[in-house]
This record gives sequence, C-alpha cells and structure tokens, in this order.
Amino acid sequence: DAGVTQSPTHLIKTRGQHVTLRCSPISGHKSVSWYQQVLGQGPQFIFQYYEKEERGRGNFPDRFSARQFPNYSSELNVNALLLGDSALYLCASSLFSQLNSGNTIYFGEGSWLTVV
Amino acid sequence: DQQVKQNSPSLSVQEGRISILNCDYTNSMFDYFLWYKKYPAEGPTFLISISSIKDKNEDGRFTVFLNKSAKHLSLHIVPSQPGDSAVYFCAASAVDQFYFGTGTSLTVIP
Repeated sequence: DAGVTQSPTHLIKTRGQHVTLRCSPISGHKSVSWYQQVLGQGPQFIFQYYEKEERGRGNFPDRFSARQFPNYSSELNVNALLLGDSALYLCASSLFSQLNSGNTIYFGEGSWLTVV
Repeated sequence: DQQVKQNSPSLSVQEGRISILNCDYTNSMFDYFLWYKKYPAEGPTFLISISSIKDKNEDGRFTVFLNKSAKHLSLHIVPSQPGDSAVYFCAASAVDQFYFGTGTSLTVIP
C-alpha cells in the first residue's frame, strides 16, 4: 500500500511568490495535517483537516492556508513568500482526527521549499 | 514556548550497547506520546508510542518508558545497530495537535 505522498519534492521560489504543496494520504485515512520543519528544529504544526473541515490551526500567519478535497487529498498554500518560509513541509495522515487520544500520524517524505 | 524538550542534541553509542534517548514535557494534559525516526532527506517514520495510562511499551529492540510524575519519557534501543543512526524526535499529543521536540541525533559506531 502506498504511504503518504507529497509533491513536489523540491522547489525554489522567489520572495513574494505563491506556492502550492500537495499531499495524498494513506488509503482509508481521513485526516491530513501539515507541519513545517526548519533545520535544527522539530516539526511545527500548521493545520489539521478531518473530513474536509479544518480542525486545528497552529501559530502561523494568514499567508498560510490549506484545504482538503472530497478524496481526502490536501493542498497547502503559502502566499507572499518570505525567506523565513524556507523549510521542509511535511504532510501527515491518520485514520481519525488528532483530537482523539491514541491517534498515530504517518508522515510523507516532505516538500523542500527554498525561498530566494 | 517549547512544551516538549529534547535536551541532548546528539548521542554516540557503540554497536551492541544500549541507546537511551530522553524527552521532557511540561503540559500535564498530554495523553499520548510517540517517537519518530528521521533519516536525512526523508520524512519522519513512526517508531513506537505509549499512552499516558501505561508506563512502558515494548516493540522488539525498542522500549519507551513514561514517568508521568516527572513528565519524562525515554526511548531505549537494545542492542543498538549502525542502521539506527538517525535523528529521533519525541512527540506528545493533547486535545488539539502534536508537539515535537527538537530531536536527538543518534550515531551508532560499528
């Protein structure tokens, strides 16, 4: 069975541009969450979607947005890119909403974003 | 405000010996704890988890211990193998999201 798939794997953008990152969860998983990992840090929570509804949002500016589609795949959009947005963006999927205890999340390989 | 802390950025262990990775947390509402392993250029891979109602969970060479009173968990790897060399993240979940530590880079020396 395919794991969590993300695209693109690497991309370079210029300050001020917009980026869209895509994620397909593990088959049967209805929850998708997005994390940002900066070098030397642990993943930081950005968003969680469950059954196409936003269930949680981390401490990120409104330039960050996301959505989940009827097939449970998801997009993360970042507008007006800043140099500080350069990071590894991780998508994770799980069977249930993260609001439930005991819910394990499984990560994709990530999308490496470099803003120049 | 870092709610999950891994105070050792790196750890080196001889092959065959025990590796002990530590993690501290501050939020008493955390009820589920996980360890992930990450190789360079890959996403984190789930390793083992433990619920707050337990104090130990074992899976093969990996054992996680939870001390709720000390708000401390640890991951034991016995015996350590060169393929275990990676960055290990601990994570904790409360009601709304998962919180991750900053990671410990484990090097197992052959």
